[in-house]
Amino acid sequence: DVKVTQSSRYLVKRTGEKVFLECVQDMDHENMFWYRQDPGLGLRLIYFSYDVKMKEKGDIPEGYSVSREKKERFSLILESASTNQTSMYLCASQGVEQYFGPGTRLTVT
Amino acid sequence: EDKVVQSPLSLVVHEGDTVTLNCSYEVTNFRSLLWYKQEKKAPTFLFMLTSSGIEKKSGRLSSILDKKELFSILNITATQTGDSAVYLCAVDGSNDYKLSFGAGTTVTVRA
Repeated sequence: DVKVTQSSRYLVKRTGEKVFLECVQDMDHENMFWYRQDPGLGLRLIYFSYDVKMKEKGDIPEGYSVSREKKERFSLILESASTNQTSMYLCASQGVEQYFGPGTRLTVT
Repeated sequence: EDKVVQSPLSLVVHEGDTVTLNCSYEVTNFRSLLWYKQEKKAPTFLFMLTSSGIEKKSGRLSSILDKKELFSILNITATQTGDSAVYLCAVDGSNDYKLSFGAGTTVTVRA
């Protein structure tokens, strides 16, 4: 079974803090993705990576950056968290279809 | 820009009813359409469709794709309260494995 894990299920941060969200997959997949999910908007792609050290912007990359130093790990970074980044963040790893991690519910106060 | 539209946005049914969910799409380079079920956690994979007219079935769930009319439907028969969830449609319509998601359909099944 594919396993995608995320570092935290729930996170509360203050405005202006730097936030790291980590995602690890155990299936040697090349493609990994970060989404955010907001009510009524569905899943929106923030960034994706198709190989180590490779990254591509998704639909809403502003305010985010990513890091992929190892194949199994894809990190999402909020350089200076803002309240409009309060959301559910989902990481996915892709083989034939995308497998999702459990999600991190981030609240920025 | 790729576009995926799901309808209805939400519906409420009673146990035993049949539900039909719709997903229409406009993408530049269609490769596949995927359905996911999301309860109070991450989406779980249901079906991947690549060819028109071939029904995929899993228990009480089934799905079919029409590539000419650019839509897919997901059917749930004899619904149960455990079918209550958000159902997401996603299309792989690019050259770089990105998925475009619809906003989802929230299904509530009442006992």
